[in-house]
Amino acid sequence: EIVMTQSPATLSLSPGERATLSCRASQSVSSKLAWYQQKGGQAPRLLIYGASTRATGIPASFSASGSGTDFTLTISSLQSEDFAVYYCQQYNNWPLTFGGGTKVEIK
Amino acid sequence: EVQLLESGGGLVQPGGSLRLSCTASGFTFGTYTMNWARQAPGKGLEWVSLISPSGDNIYYADSVKGRFTISRDNSRDTLYLHMNSLRVEDTAVYYCAKSVGREAPASRYFDGWGQGTLVTVSS
Repeated sequence: EIVMTQSPATLSLSPGERATLSCRASQSVSSKLAWYQQKGGQAPRLLIYGASTRATGIPASFSASGSGTDFTLTISSLQSEDFAVYYCQQYNNWPLTFGGGTKVEIK
Repeated sequence: EVQLLESGGGLVQPGGSLRLSCTASGFTFGTYTMNWARQAPGKGLEWVSLISPSGDNIYYADSVKGRFTISRDNSRDTLYLHMNSLRVEDTAVYYCAKSVGREAPASRYFDGWGQGTLVTVSS
């Protein structure tokens, strides 16, 4: 099983600041990496697939990069609605696995 | 608009069984790969199972293999998860999730999620 490790666990930032979230795979997943956003009590929402392609309706303030084992999600300027938990998910190997999440909270 | 509505959760004793349902609307259910995922209280997401549009291809997480069975009825636009031999560690909100596409790799990530149904396994 591929283990996905996200860091940091919590990111405390102010609105308008830039957020950089990391996701590392225990072995290469090529570019088969997705990112999701989950707000409190809500279902997750797909942000990114293919490591860097924004899903439909996702603003350009969200960008992502990486391949192999190291991936990054960047939020260029945090808006109030961006404070949430973010998960990465690999889909290169079975079983599909998620990272433990990074909580982006208001500082 | 994609809508997924889960039902069937509740309180069950360890060793018991439960069947979850997910009714879909807003898309052509029978042409998409579908999934179950779960989230234990205060924890992260865990993928549970995937079923192809025709039901020919099915995959499970190791943690549920041999105990859970995924199925679908395309005539009813409904996805199911039959859960047997339930354990305390199966306690979670169970989500129905629509895959982006019918074939890999787009079948392995998810662009539609229900609001979830809570399964509590406790004596």
